[in-house]
Amino acid sequence: GAVVSQHPSWVICKSGTSVKIECRSLDFQATTMFWYRQFPKQSLMLMATSNEGSKATYEQGVEKDKFLINHASLTLSTLTVTSAHPEDSSFYICSAAMGQGGGKLFFGSGTQLSVL
Amino acid sequence: DQQVKQNSPSLSVQEGRISILNCDYTNSMFDYFLWYKKYPAEGPTFLISISSIKDKNEDGRFTVFLNKSAKHLSLHIVPSQPGDSAVYFCAARSSNDYKLSFGAGTTVTVRA
Repeated sequence: GAVVSQHPSWVICKSGTSVKIECRSLDFQATTMFWYRQFPKQSLMLMATSNEGSKATYEQGVEKDKFLINHASLTLSTLTVTSAHPEDSSFYICSAAMGQGGGKLFFGSGTQLSVL
Repeated sequence: DQQVKQNSPSLSVQEGRISILNCDYTNSMFDYFLWYKKYPAEGPTFLISISSIKDKNEDGRFTVFLNKSAKHLSLHIVPSQPGDSAVYFCAARSSNDYKLSFGAGTTVTVRA
């Protein structure tokens, strides 16, 4: 199947710093990527939809100024957690869509963020 | 508001027996349903899907059943194997939209 690479897989940072997470589709072009967040033993919650060349669409309750999303190319989307705080500690997962609407979604391996 | 619900947080089954995972949804716009398997600290991997035009889809040991009138679907794994131990997520979307709504997951433990 198609490969989506997510980096880093694990990061610890100090409160107040910013962290960037990258999501790359390695063998296909993805006009749409999604960012999810998962708390322990809970569901994956969609944070935002990232469209190449346009602004991301954020789900209700997600602070767009805190979670900056950039989708500069058809193979790369980045999520930057700005001024991270301990409550931002979570597992973040990206997914990339292959094909036009209704096509297959492929997930990255996730990033565990721990903010001290 | 949780549009996809998995009411059983965990399931324990003996190796070789059948695992049955259940999922309910509330949004009538959903017409495409997927099951994902997830190991700790990894992203979900796609298992099997079903369109609302079908009521059953089978792929090897995995079968998904869809009851549209009840807004209910289930995943059957038979026979269950130790490697099946993982968290299983039910997900749903409308067929022309990539946005997935996930259930809370069911942790399956297959006992030897």
